[in-house]
Amino acid sequence: AQKVTQAQTEISVVEKEDVTLDCVYETRDTTYYLFWYKQPPSGELVFLIRRNSFDEQNEISGRYSWNFQKSTSSFNFTITASQVVDSAVYFCALSEERGYGGATNKLIFGTGTLLAVQP
Amino acid sequence: DADVTQTPRNRITKTGKRIMLECSQTKGHDRMYWYRQDPGLGLRLIYYSFDVKDINKGEISDGYSVSRQAQAKFSLSLESAIPNQTALYFCATSDPTSTDTQYFGPGTRLTVL
Repeated sequence: AQKVTQAQTEISVVEKEDVTLDCVYETRDTTYYLFWYKQPPSGELVFLIRRNSFDEQNEISGRYSWNFQKSTSSFNFTITASQVVDSAVYFCALSEERGYGGATNKLIFGTGTLLAVQP
Repeated sequence: DADVTQTPRNRITKTGKRIMLECSQTKGHDRMYWYRQDPGLGLRLIYYSFDVKDINKGEISDGYSVSRQAQAKFSLSLESAIPNQTALYFCATSDPTSTDTQYFGPGTRLTVL
């Protein structure tokens, strides 16, 4: 079965601290995609990153970085020098190559991690 | 203007009422989706549509129906609302000719009393 686990329900840090959000996934497919979305207090879902299963290179975008390790089925997200504006719920999601109709379209979400950054 | 819009943004209704949530997009994407979000459960897929003539059930379709009126419009209906359908509902779109990444609308908060 396909599954995404975000074991950290809530994390609280003080501004400027680094924080890592964990994501562990399960899938039997060899081709799949991993995503991170941000849901700020206003409620919308903001796409952050998409990574395919053949690309294990880490990615950095400003203060954000992602560490993809197939050996441990993990796709962790690190925010460096956190800011109050980073306060949000962060969702990790998995999409498989063979979803409905053979397309990559079913997103399986984790339950999310609430990050609170205190000033 | 937002690429994916949802109306209404908030709705309070009573048990047994018929409710329609609407989604419109200007992204030109063929694929559209409806999800619901419940506290502690993440998002779950209700229905999805690959194009105007292709509609499919998702993980939790019971109690819901959809209509794809045009490429840009995808509506979700609750024929007879019940309290456990109280949730935050999201519409999303994706382009299979590109990365097929799903982009979400702002959400509709529905409360069924």
